Amino acid sequence: QVQLQESGPGLVKPSETLSLTCTVSGGSVSSSSYYWSWIRQPPGKGLEWVGYIHYSGSSNYNPSLKSRVTISVDTSKNQFSLKLSSVTAADTAVYYCATTDNYYYFMDVWGKGTTVTVSS
Amino acid sequence: QSVLTQPPSASGTPGQRVTISCSGSSSNIGSNTVNWYQQLPGTAPKLLIYSNNQRPSGVPDRFSGSKSGTSASLAISGLQSEDEADYYCAAWDDSLNGQVFGGGTKLTVL
Repeated sequence: QVQLQESGPGLVKPSETLSLTCTVSGGSVSSSSYYWSWIRQPPGKGLEWVGYIHYSGSSNYNPSLKSRVTISVDTSKNQFSLKLSSVTAADTAVYYCATTDNYYYFMDVWGKGTTVTVSS
Repeated sequence: QSVLTQPPSASGTPGQRVTISCSGSSSNIGSNTVNWYQQLPGTAPKLLIYSNNQRPSGVPDRFSGSKSGTSASLAISGLQSEDEADYYCAAWDDSLNGQVFGGGTKLTVL
């Protein structure tokens, strides 16, 4: 059973880069069956898809965030990561990592989420 | 403004059947499958329905999904107090080339 755990700083200053890591256990980030996704949820609001990566390196990002987002995968550490540059208060959210079926795009395993606050 | 449209709230009494709608367009629901997620207070979302009407292992058969044209619905029968949660629909959008979510529906069990 795959399990996911997000980690990273809980506080980021405006204009800096948010960096989060998702550690995969019980499975391999090199699985061809999955995309590895990031989703976020601002306080009191709904879910927003950030993007995904496949172990092969192919990726896809939310068009509204594309210019600021990079998702990468580290097969040696069985992890994938999110970098979001030039953050503002609007990027304050709970960030989740999740597995994504690479045909029907459903997200069937989620991490518990990590709260990131953008503030000086 | 979410790409998929859901009612912000729904309610029902224990034992009742409730439905939650999700409206989209030809580029998302009209051409791709719909997935539903349940988010209990303070927890991560959980996959409830995938590929329009499939239940993952462990999801009670009280939950069912359907799709017609550019709309989808989630039905919950035999409503229970533990069903009180936020429910989100989602689908791939071919025009945006990305995953889109509904704004979420808060279900209250009266």
